[in-house]
Amino acid sequence: GAGVSQSPSNKVTEKGKDVELRCDPISGHTALYWYRQRLGQGLEFLIYFQGNSAPDKSGLPSDRFSAERTGESVSTLTIQRTQQEDSAVYLCASSLALGAGKGEQYFGPGTRLTVT
Amino acid sequence: ELKVEQNPLFLSMQEGKNYTIYCDYSTTSDRLYWYRQDPGKSLESLFVLLSNGAVKQEGRLMASLDTKARLSTLHITAAVHDLSATYFCAVDRPGTYKYIFGTGTRLKVLA
Repeated sequence: GAGVSQSPSNKVTEKGKDVELRCDPISGHTALYWYRQRLGQGLEFLIYFQGNSAPDKSGLPSDRFSAERTGESVSTLTIQRTQQEDSAVYLCASSLALGAGKGEQYFGPGTRLTVT
Repeated sequence: ELKVEQNPLFLSMQEGKNYTIYCDYSTTSDRLYWYRQDPGKSLESLFVLLSNGAVKQEGRLMASLDTKARLSTLHITAAVHDLSATYFCAVDRPGTYKYIFGTGTRLKVLA
């Protein structure tokens, strides 16, 4: 079946503009995760969803970042008033559920965001 | 705060050689994951380790987990060029499901 998809694959935006990144998880996966990966670095956890609920938003870097998920499916990550330090690849992953045995994550191809 | 550290960060090895990548984490967890990332690509799941003493093998890679020592290893046997990639371990923080990734080990296998 289809894997995790993300759009756009690349986004170049001017500093100060808002951007919206989209993630379509694997059908039937109730858990969804967002990460940020700066060039040459590891993954920085941003937020996870169980269904449509995000129990812990403490990983979001600032109040310019927000995320939502609807219908236990599509999720959007919104960055307002983008800054150059927001430039990174944003990765989305989904898993069957949370917890042991079901937490294996399947990653999308990522959205490469460049803020000029 | 949960920290996950990998060593080495960079590894250059000859084809046919064996080597081990280490993943240390700082708090109790019995769920550890290994991923592979090729340059410019996303992450691919390699192994899921869910209990103390778990060992899994796929081809030339074998992963193990010691939850008492808070240590996982990824052992490479008779490396081949196709194994060149960055390898990440990840631990999910107990009670929160926040996954913390290690720093990554960039492996280069020389022909």
